[in-house]
Amino acid sequence: DTGVSQDPRHKITKRGQNVTFRCDPISEHNRLYWYRQTLGQGPEFLTYFQNEAQLEKSRLLSDRFSAERPKGSFSTLEIQRTEQGDSAMYLCASSLFQGSETQYFGPGTRLLVL
Amino acid sequence: AQKVTQAQTEISVVEKEDVTLDCVYETRDTTYYLFWYKQPPSGELVFLIRRNSFDEQNEISGRYSWNFQKSTSSFNFTITASQVVDSAVYFCALLNVRDDKIIFGKGTRLHILP
Repeated sequence: DTGVSQDPRHKITKRGQNVTFRCDPISEHNRLYWYRQTLGQGPEFLTYFQNEAQLEKSRLLSDRFSAERPKGSFSTLEIQRTEQGDSAMYLCASSLFQGSETQYFGPGTRLLVL
Repeated sequence: AQKVTQAQTEISVVEKEDVTLDCVYETRDTTYYLFWYKQPPSGELVFLIRRNSFDEQNEISGRYSWNFQKSTSSFNFTITASQVVDSAVYFCALLNVRDDKIIFGKGTRLHILP
């Protein structure tokens, strides 16, 4: 049973560039979540999907952020016109939703915006 | 308001000592889940335990034990006979059934000194 995978693990970009991250959940999991973690803080919820439907977005998710899960399997998180404040660890998690099941996390993508 | 407080920012103990990590939570909901996750230097969040709000039984798993007390809204985590490999950041987290989002505390960084 493979866990949640994320790609890339690290990304360095210049301010103003667009970046895209990918998350592959555990295969039978129907819910997929994105969180952001800044230094010294716990992860904060960004958005989540049930199958291909995006059910909720946090107010943290500005217009520059967009997430998709087109076929209900992998998901992408895109940040347009990156800013230095976007530097963080972006974590993906998945769960088999049958009533608040445990969310299992991937290794994260660490983004540094110069 | 929903909130998780981990008052201990950083703890250092000598190997083989016991250590308790404190967690206090706030929620208006009667049905919720509590979690502990471990985040080693690699960055991946590792699931340790999940408890629901109706189950106040303490749990022991090897050197790990958890004490859930609804009366004080606490869910403390004890490591017995600590080992250097236990060094990590530990997060306590709360999930309310109605919205399926995890709210994390700020974490406690645990150093186990050889």
